[in-house]
Amino acid sequence: DAGVTQSPTHLIKTRGQQVTLRCSPKSGHDTVSWYQQALGQGPQFIFQYYEEEERQRGNFPDRFSGHQFPNYSSELNVNALLLGDSALYLCASSLFGGENSPLHFGNGTRLTVT
Amino acid sequence: AQSVTQPDIHITVSEGASLELRCNYSYGATPYLFWYVQSPGQGLQLLLKYFSGDTLVQGIKGFEAEFKRSQSSFNLRKPSVNWSDAAEYFCAVGSSNTGTASKLTFGTGTRLQVTL
Repeated sequence: DAGVTQSPTHLIKTRGQQVTLRCSPKSGHDTVSWYQQALGQGPQFIFQYYEEEERQRGNFPDRFSGHQFPNYSSELNVNALLLGDSALYLCASSLFGGENSPLHFGNGTRLTVT
Repeated sequence: AQSVTQPDIHITVSEGASLELRCNYSYGATPYLFWYVQSPGQGLQLLLKYFSGDTLVQGIKGFEAEFKRSQSSFNLRKPSVNWSDAAEYFCAVGSSNTGTASKLTFGTGTRLQVTL
């Protein structure tokens, strides 16, 4: 049973560029959430996707956008990259409306902005 | 707004000793509560969760946690720590209003070091 998979594992970008991160949810899950984890901090919620729509959003600017595909996989896009966007980006999947469906996390994508 | 406080940034224990990691939360209603563990360069693994019912929750790897509403706490415990338990531990709170636990608020984490 494949868990949550993310690609790529590492990425280096330059300020002002755009980046796309990808995530495949755990088998049987239909909801994908994205988190940003800065060095030495806990993860911060970016947004949640279900049925190809953004359902909840954290306190992140519009430079952060996402997409969910019919097969439940998801992308996170960040435009006009800033140095402060350097972080570990974690994808998590779950079953929508499942009270006993906690988040399952992938190993993350380490983004470095220079 | 919900929040989580993990007062201990770094804890060192000897292998075989008992462990308690503290977590205090702020939330207006009955929260969903979680403990996750993160090894270096890895994602987060769920140790245990509390949604409702019995306030003493058993998890994987011999961990347990107790929900104390009166103290707004959800402390993590283990009777005997192994060297392999060295990692970063995160407490998180989620909203019970939305019927899903996707939007979690995490604490800043406690780094556990285990000495032989």
